[in-house]
Amino acid sequence: EVQLVQSGAEVKKPGESLKISCKGSGYSFTSYWIGWVRQMPGKGLEWMGIIYPGDSDTRYSPSFQGQVTISADKSISTAYLQWSSLKASDTAMYYCVRPSVTTLDYWGQGTLVTVSS
Amino acid sequence: SYELTQPLSVSVALGQTARITCGGNNIGSKNVHWYQQKPGQAPVLVIYRDSNRPSGIPERFSGSNSGNTATLTISRAQAGDEADYYCQVWDSSTDVVFGGGTKLTVL
Repeated sequence: EVQLVQSGAEVKKPGESLKISCKGSGYSFTSYWIGWVRQMPGKGLEWMGIIYPGDSDTRYSPSFQGQVTISADKSISTAYLQWSSLKASDTAMYYCVRPSVTTLDYWGQGTLVTVSS
Repeated sequence: SYELTQPLSVSVALGQTARITCGGNNIGSKNVHWYQQKPGQAPVLVIYRDSNRPSGIPERFSGSNSGNTATLTISRAQAGDEADYYCQVWDSSTDVVFGGGTKLTVL
């Protein structure tokens, strides 16, 4: 069974750094892209970017380029999303997803990030 | 960049048919996927490649795509169908594109 299990909720202060994770299991982690989706409180889904763990090829949505870093450690089947300096506007639920061709057929349970002073 | 337009809300009487549209320039030439998101839960794929249902999704859910509009149709709407629905396509320049989402209310 394919599963994406994300790290737990985080509460941070503005200016702090953060790295959240998404562990894949039940499939060949290096053979599928992993993407990240943001959902701000009460808002819709926003595409952030994607990584191919096999060779770490990474692409970012223009809206998120330079704002976050997507990485992966294939030795432990885990993808990451990180910030170097959080802002209050980064408060959101973040989902990792596994695309199959053009469909996002598997989703993680989500990680809630709260940034508040 | 490619844009998808959905109505903010759609209402349907219990047992009737709901139709949620997703507009985009020549969207009929793309594969459209639909996701259902209930409060506090991750989205779930309900229709892929325009009109295909994943296993476990009721036959009441169907989809179509032609011209500039894709449509998700929910027949015999139930209270449990109340949710936000998002359409999605893959775009060559930006990868994934989501519609803004439609809140379905079952009256």
